[in-house]
Order: sequence, then structure tokens, then C-alpha cells
Amino acid sequence: EIVLTQSPGTLSLSPGERATLSCRASQSVSSSYLAWYQQKPGQAPRLLIYGASSRATGIPDRFSGSGSGTDFTLTISRLEPEDFAVYYCQQYGSSFWTFGQGTKVEIK
Amino acid sequence: EVQLVESGGGLVQPGGSLRLSCAASGFTFSSYWMHWVRQAPGKGLVWVSRINSDGSSTSYADSVKGRFTISRDNAKNTLYLQMNSLRAEDTAVYYCARWGHDYGGNAWFDPWGQGTLVTVSS
Repeated sequence: EIVLTQSPGTLSLSPGERATLSCRASQSVSSSYLAWYQQKPGQAPRLLIYGASSRATGIPDRFSGSGSGTDFTLTISRLEPEDFAVYYCQQYGSSFWTFGQGTKVEIK
Repeated sequence: EVQLVESGGGLVQPGGSLRLSCAASGFTFSSYWMHWVRQAPGKGLVWVSRINSDGSSTSYADSVKGRFTISRDNAKNTLYLQMNSLRAEDTAVYYCARWGHDYGGNAWFDPWGQGTLVTVSS
């Protein structure tokens, strides 16, 4: 089973700042099966990025994904008030799906 | 509108059983793999189980294997999760999610239902 480790656990930033979230896999992951989700309190997760770098429908272009192999990154270029939330990376491989433990982006 | 709506959660005693349902609408349900993902209070997302489009193949996380059974009724556009021998550590919000894909070979969870809370406690 592939383990995804997200860092940092919490990111304290101000609106307008740039957020860089990391997702590291215990072994190589197919980029086709690497996705990022946003979750706000009391809500279901929402798809942001699929295929490591493609934005889902309706997702603003301040969100971008990059990476390959074992290292992936979600970048939010300029934080808006609605972006403060928890972000999860997720992968599929060898008939198992796994999520990272999440990165909380909080207002500084 | 593509939508998933879960139901069936509630309070159950340890060792008890519960069946969750997920009603799908707005898409051709029988064409998609479907999943259950859970989230314990204050914790992260954990994949639980998946079923292929015609129901002939399933897989489970080790933590629920032998206790939970995923199934579907394509005529009713509904996904199920039968949960037996429930434990305190099964307490969580349970989400159903569609495993979507494109022609480029990419795949993802979208949409997600709103979730249903299962509490296992005496």
C-alpha cells in the first residue's frame, strides 16, 4: 500500500499570500491517479486537481498542481478568504486508494 | 445535476449492524465504479471500499474486510454498504463518491455525497 505524507500539517498564512503544499508518496505514483481535494468544516471534500496538474471544472486558476513520481505539489498563488480549509492529496494504485493526512491552511 | 445522497446512518451498539445507502442521480450510474470513504471525527479521509460498474468486483480496506459488504442496484441507481460487527473505531462520517475518469486515463473522486454519520457506542 502506498502511503502519502503531506507537509506541513498546518500552514498559517495571510490572504494574498502564496501557499505551497507538499504530498510525498512512499513509492512512485502514476500522475494520472494523483488528485487534490479541498474540505471545509461540515462539508464533503471537493475535487480541485486531477491528473496531478489538471484543474477540475469551476476551479479558479490560482490553484495549480505539479509533480511526478513521488513528489507532488499544490500551489495556491494568492490566498482568498474562501481558500482557508484542509487539503488532501489522494492516489490510486495496485487496487488500493489512499489519502494523505491533510494540510490545514489557516488564517495567520 | 449530478448528485449523490447518503442515508442510513445513526447510533448503533458495538457488535451491531447498519446498512448505508447512496442514491445517485444526474448521470448514468451503471457506467461508473463507486466507492465509500469515511472520516472519523476530527480526522482525515480513509478509503473503505469500491465496487465496479456491474457489481461483479469489489475491494475493501483491511480494517473492514470480512465485516463490511459493498453492493449496488443499478436498476435503482443506488449504492449500499452493509456494515456488520461494528466497532467503536468505525465511528465516522461515511461518504459515497463516484470514481470518474477521462479519455486521457486520469481518474478521480467526484462528486461526493454530503455524508452520513455512523456512531458506534453503548
